[in-house]
Amino acid sequence: GENVEQHPSTLSVQEGDSAVIKCTYSDSASNYFPWYKQELGKGSQLIIDIRSNVGEKKDQRIAVTLNKTAKHFSLHITETQPEDSAVYFCAAKGGYNKLIFGAGTRLAVHP
Amino acid sequence: ETGVTQTPRHLVMGMTNKKSLKCEQHLGHNAMYWYKQSAKKPLELMFVYSLEERVENNSVPSRFSPECPNSSHLFLHLHTLQPEDSALYLCASSQGPTSGGSSEQYFGPGTRLTVT
Repeated sequence: GENVEQHPSTLSVQEGDSAVIKCTYSDSASNYFPWYKQELGKGSQLIIDIRSNVGEKKDQRIAVTLNKTAKHFSLHITETQPEDSAVYFCAAKGGYNKLIFGAGTRLAVHP
Repeated sequence: ETGVTQTPRHLVMGMTNKKSLKCEQHLGHNAMYWYKQSAKKPLELMFVYSLEERVENNSVPSRFSPECPNSSHLFLHLHTLQPEDSALYLCASSQGPTSGGSSEQYFGPGTRLTVT
């Protein structure tokens, strides 16, 4: 069946360093890849997304890259700040609005 | 404020109880979703409603019963749950593809359910 694998499950970095989270998907028909940030006690927020006709997208300190051939996509956060600490979920869109999520990455940014 | 609200935020219920979770979206979307998030597991899509018609049910046990009276409200009725049903239940909304809008989903804060 459809599957999305996400690594690492936990990531600890020093403030100012970069953080990279990687995901691979199995459904070659997937064409939309969002990233969500979930902070403690809050709902998940869409932070960036990419469509299959684009290889890279950047929004300030956050960027996402997509390799359709290898079926993997990555989230890059530069100049990390303590408020970036959260659980990050990647997802790949399969059938009608059905998002297949990765298991999540708990990012801790230490001052 | 995400535009998607859920009540209650926390719920403790016994295995013989009947309760309901409520979700409301203020974004003008026409599709709503229920997800289950268990510890250390990916988000599991439970139900999708588009234009008030249920379009997908991923083999969710019948003790979970969704209701979507209109495009802004979504309920999840719970009956004779099991302890393993304890989880965070997230509601989301989006513009469905039939309207030509984006497929991004916006989530509510979730209801933390504990079944004793």
